[in-house]
Amino acid sequence: DQQVKQNSPSLSVQEGRISILNCDYTNSMFDYFLWYKKYPAEGPTFLISISSIKDKNEDGRFTVFLNKSAKHLSLHIVPSQPGDSAVYFCAASAASGGSNYKLTFGKGTLLTVNP
Amino acid sequence: ETGVTQSPTHLIKTRGQQVTLRCSSQSGHNTVSWYQQALGQGPQFIFQYYREEENGRGNFPPRFSGLQFPNYSSELNVNALELDDSALYLCASRGSFDEQYFGPGTRLTVT
Repeated sequence: DQQVKQNSPSLSVQEGRISILNCDYTNSMFDYFLWYKKYPAEGPTFLISISSIKDKNEDGRFTVFLNKSAKHLSLHIVPSQPGDSAVYFCAASAASGGSNYKLTFGKGTLLTVNP
Repeated sequence: ETGVTQSPTHLIKTRGQQVTLRCSSQSGHNTVSWYQQALGQGPQFIFQYYREEENGRGNFPPRFSGLQFPNYSSELNVNALELDDSALYLCASRGSFDEQYFGPGTRLTVT
């Protein structure tokens, strides 16, 4: 049972345009969501996160939107750059009030930004 | 501030053998988690250690075990290796706001 789903295995965009990566989840206990970027032969790099008490969080070119009623979140990258080309993972945790910070990951989306 | 480091970078083992992977967490981070990433999949949670005690475990058999030391470094031990254990093993330490920072991983190949 996959609790975090990234339904698009790949996405290709032109440099300078917006990249939108999507993620759906099924577990209503999730209250903290994160996006990671991964290059080949490296570990995932933390990008941005959002708590369930918010619906938007912004950090430079990266914005994450959370729609709790739809159990959906998205990562927007504006403007996209060739160096953004990587696999992007959506992750979620249900850590509120507890000490278990287990992350549940999606399968990832390969983003290719073309010059 | 140093990042998460892992050793070795990669190794090859034979089915039935045992392996120990090591992780040094980011400075000041006292919660360490281990993940297994199979090819084409997202990382899967193995277990988590907080102050030298296991305080969360994923759907992995008991032959996957771990340790955390007083300096917050950690080990992952896998006994009786199986072919399906071939994967990238990632260590992560928890930051101030529940985000987790990952090391570069250890690539394990079981033949």
